[in-house]
Amino acid sequence: ETGVTQSPTHLIKTRGQQVTLRCSSQSGHNTVSWYQQALGQGPQFIFQYYREEENGRGNFPPRFSGLQFPNYSSELNVNALELDDSALYLCASSLGASGRFADTQYFGPGTRLTVL
Amino acid sequence: AQSVTQPDIHITVSEGASLELRCNYSYGATPYLFWYVQSPGQGLQLLLKYFSGDTLVQGIKGFEAEFKRSQSSFNLRKPSVHWSDAAEYFCAVGAKTGANNLFFGTGTRLTVIP
Repeated sequence: ETGVTQSPTHLIKTRGQQVTLRCSSQSGHNTVSWYQQALGQGPQFIFQYYREEENGRGNFPPRFSGLQFPNYSSELNVNALELDDSALYLCASSLGASGRFADTQYFGPGTRLTVL
Repeated sequence: AQSVTQPDIHITVSEGASLELRCNYSYGATPYLFWYVQSPGQGLQLLLKYFSGDTLVQGIKGFEAEFKRSQSSFNLRKPSVHWSDAAEYFCAVGAKTGANNLFFGTGTRLTVIP
């Protein structure tokens, strides 16, 4: 077990709706990253937060947004859902400060989002 | 830009046989390299990582990987596979600038037959 939890486990939404996914990092981990894993693909980096500020972003549109809270929890929000947003969403926490590339990322079990 | 190629989508091996999963990366400098394993319904578990130094890296569950700069490869090996090793395996490269995010390959699904 990595000590990283995510909720909910599964979620079904319809196109155009909004969704919030939650992650609880390991205690003491200041960095959280979110990844999207489409069926049959490897995870793709969405964005990363360090001490409650966005610290880097992958090739995802602004309707993907996030928040990180002081209690080591974080959220991924997706607005105006599209069918292609159906995927497994993974969060990963690490000790790392910005630039500490050697820090291991610990992944949660993911949230399976289905958009109909 | 970083990228990772895992040329084998699916590999089947017999229990007790040796295993090698291939990974090739593209990166402008010495990369940080990782192997993760994902079982059905589970998140990603780190098997091993390479940052620098000895090019043969030992990991958990009896896995090892060798970094070969000349071939831009980081292949994962195990001398004797167990049925519980059946899972999806992902190779990843770590970015050296900006956020310490990971770039993943598309994965190799391992099936173990008795």
